[in-house]
Amino acid sequence: GAVVSQHPSWVICKSGTSVKIECRSLDFQATTMFWYRQFPKQSLMLMATSNEGSKATYEQGVEKDKFLINHASLTLSTLTVTSAHPEDSSFYICSARLGNTEAFFGQGTRLTVV
Amino acid sequence: AQSVTQLDSQVPVFEEAPVELRCNYSSSVSVYLFWYVQYPNQGLQLLLKYLSGSTLVKGINGFEAEFNKSQTSFHLRKPSVHISDTAEYFCAVSERGQTGANNLFFGTGTRLTVIP
Repeated sequence: GAVVSQHPSWVICKSGTSVKIECRSLDFQATTMFWYRQFPKQSLMLMATSNEGSKATYEQGVEKDKFLINHASLTLSTLTVTSAHPEDSSFYICSARLGNTEAFFGQGTRLTVV
Repeated sequence: AQSVTQLDSQVPVFEEAPVELRCNYSSSVSVYLFWYVQYPNQGLQLLLKYLSGSTLVKGINGFEAEFNKSQTSFHLRKPSVHISDTAEYFCAVSERGQTGANNLFFGTGTRLTVIP
C-alpha cells in the first residue's frame, strides 16, 4: 500500500518556540492531506485540510495563526506549531487520501512543550 | 453529515477467546466504512474496509467485519485473539462518491486489551 512518512516521531521543545512537523507521501502524489490532533485516550480530531498550492482549510476552533500549514508540493505538507505552549502538547497525525476511498496515515508526532 | 458511534470504550478479553467490537454509524447518504488499528505512539493502520459488494469483509491479522445496512452497523470480529491484538481500534466512515478529497469521520475508539 501507499506510504505516508511523518517526521519527527517525537519532539520536546521549550515554551515559546516553534516546531515544524513534516508529512510526506512517499510513493504517490497527494493533492490533499489532513492534519489531526489526538488527545490521550481520545479519538482523532481533524484540525485542517491541507491543499497543494492553496491555503489550508481549518476546522472551527482551530487557530490558523497558531497552526501554520504549508503544502508546497504534491508530496509534502508541513504543520508548524508557532509559539508553542504546554497546552499544545499532543499527538499529531497526518494522512493522505488515495483516490476517494482509502486514507493512509503517518506514524504520528508526539509533541511535548516544557 | 456523518457520525460514528463506538459504544464500548474498553473491551477486555482473554487470549484465544473471540471478540466483537461494535460500530454504528449515521449518514444521510451512502458511505464507505473502515476499521483502523492504532498501537501506542503510532499512526493508524488500516485493518479492513467496505466499499461495495459482499457485506462480509476480511482484513489483516484475522479480523473481519460485516456491513449491515438496515442496522447501520459495521462490527469488527475476530474468532481468536492474540496478545499482540492489544491496541486501540477506530471505526471510520466517509461519504461515498465524493470527488477529490473527503474527510474521514472517526468513532471515539475502543481499547482492546487481551489478557493472558
